[in-house]
Amino acid sequence: AQSVTQPDIHITVSEGASLELRCNYSYGATPYLFWYVQSPGQGLQLLLKYFSGDTLVQGIKGFEAEFKRSQSSFNLRKPSVHWSDAAEYFCAVVGYSGGGADGLTFGKGTHLIIQP
Amino acid sequence: DVKVTQSSRYLVKRTGEKVFLECVQDMDHENMFWYRQDPGLGLRLIYFSYDVKMKEKGDIPEGYSVSREKKERFSLILESASTNQTSMYLCASSKGSGGVYEQFFGPGTRLTVL
Repeated sequence: AQSVTQPDIHITVSEGASLELRCNYSYGATPYLFWYVQSPGQGLQLLLKYFSGDTLVQGIKGFEAEFKRSQSSFNLRKPSVHWSDAAEYFCAVVGYSGGGADGLTFGKGTHLIIQP
Repeated sequence: DVKVTQSSRYLVKRTGEKVFLECVQDMDHENMFWYRQDPGLGLRLIYFSYDVKMKEKGDIPEGYSVSREKKERFSLILESASTNQTSMYLCASSKGSGGVYEQFFGPGTRLTVL
């Protein structure tokens, strides 16, 4: 069975500083990986996804993530955070069996706090 | 833009009541999903459906059932609500078979069972 680990429950970053959120996955075959963001009281919004190809993927709001198969990681980065980036961030993986839908397996989330 | 709507943002029910949570999507997606979100646990998959009248159990189906009579609508049913089902419930939809597609989420229903 697949699993996702987000080692950091909370991260505090100063506004303007760089950010890296860690994500490690466990899956036997090629994974399909996602990062979602959830602002307070909101649903989840997709930041970016990795299916295949270039291992550095660009997303919305200036975020990027790098897929490293050797480390089973898919870390999220942003060069300079803004106060509006304060939110809960979820990494997720899905396996594709070739049939119908498969649900996402989520990590437990990382709560990002931005200091002025 | 894809829109996924959920019938209620907040719901308060009593133990033992039958509860219906409704989800509607407007992009003709084949797949629909129900997750519950709890602090410190992330999101966990309850049930999903890849076609009308089809359903599959997710990771935590106990105490829940689902119904999909129309393509755009996916209902989550708590047959006899219990306090441990107090949670945030999120519905999602995605395009269908033949690949992996982004899931689009609704705003969530925060259910409290007293």
